[in-house]
Amino acid sequence: DGGITQSPKYLFRKEGQNVTLSCEQNLNHDAMYWYRQDPGQGLRLIYYSQIVNDFQKGDIAEGYSVSREKKESFPLTVTSAQKNPTAFYLCASSTTRRTEAFFGQGTRLTVV
Amino acid sequence: QQQVKQSPQSLIVQKGGISIINCAYENTAFDYFPWYQQFPGKGPALLIAIRPDVSEKKEGRFTISFNKSAKQFSLHIMDSQPGDSATYFCAASNSNYQLIWGAGTKLIIKP
Repeated sequence: DGGITQSPKYLFRKEGQNVTLSCEQNLNHDAMYWYRQDPGQGLRLIYYSQIVNDFQKGDIAEGYSVSREKKESFPLTVTSAQKNPTAFYLCASSTTRRTEAFFGQGTRLTVV
Repeated sequence: QQQVKQSPQSLIVQKGGISIINCAYENTAFDYFPWYQQFPGKGPALLIAIRPDVSEKKEGRFTISFNKSAKQFSLHIMDSQPGDSATYFCAASNSNYQLIWGAGTKLIIKP
């Protein structure tokens, strides 16, 4: 089935560690996005990519990094520079801004 | 200018009633206005969307009303059911391939 797969579903990180969240899509979408969602909050854009080997910072990119080496994959690294990383992370993809954005099931990251 | 303001933050509606969620925007360059539905622990999913060239779009029990002059749009859920209990987000698309999101409305339908 076509869709977006995020893994892992739950992730625990010690302070000072970098962690990488996986996002894979088989929808043949050009654009991919990473959002952060805090409890009771809306979605805040971390990074987005419209084409392979290119990506742009969103509103809250500090402390995060991404890569887009393949059309299907857009991993997000939460670095130790991110001061408050505990959140629900959502990956999405779309063909263009005028069409539906499809979301993965999310990764809940907790710093312990 | 890039904000989308959504209200109310939470809403309780009796089963069978009408749920209404409102959004307002400032940027007249926005040209795509979707509503997303999110269940706990899941990613949002597109519910219904509208472009500014129409004033209303209906899909089943869900209707978007769009007022271009007032720069407002709203979601109406007719005959609300307990299964509609979720968080609803409005959004607007700008010219930078980004969706600008409202803060969300937590809807509870009481049986």
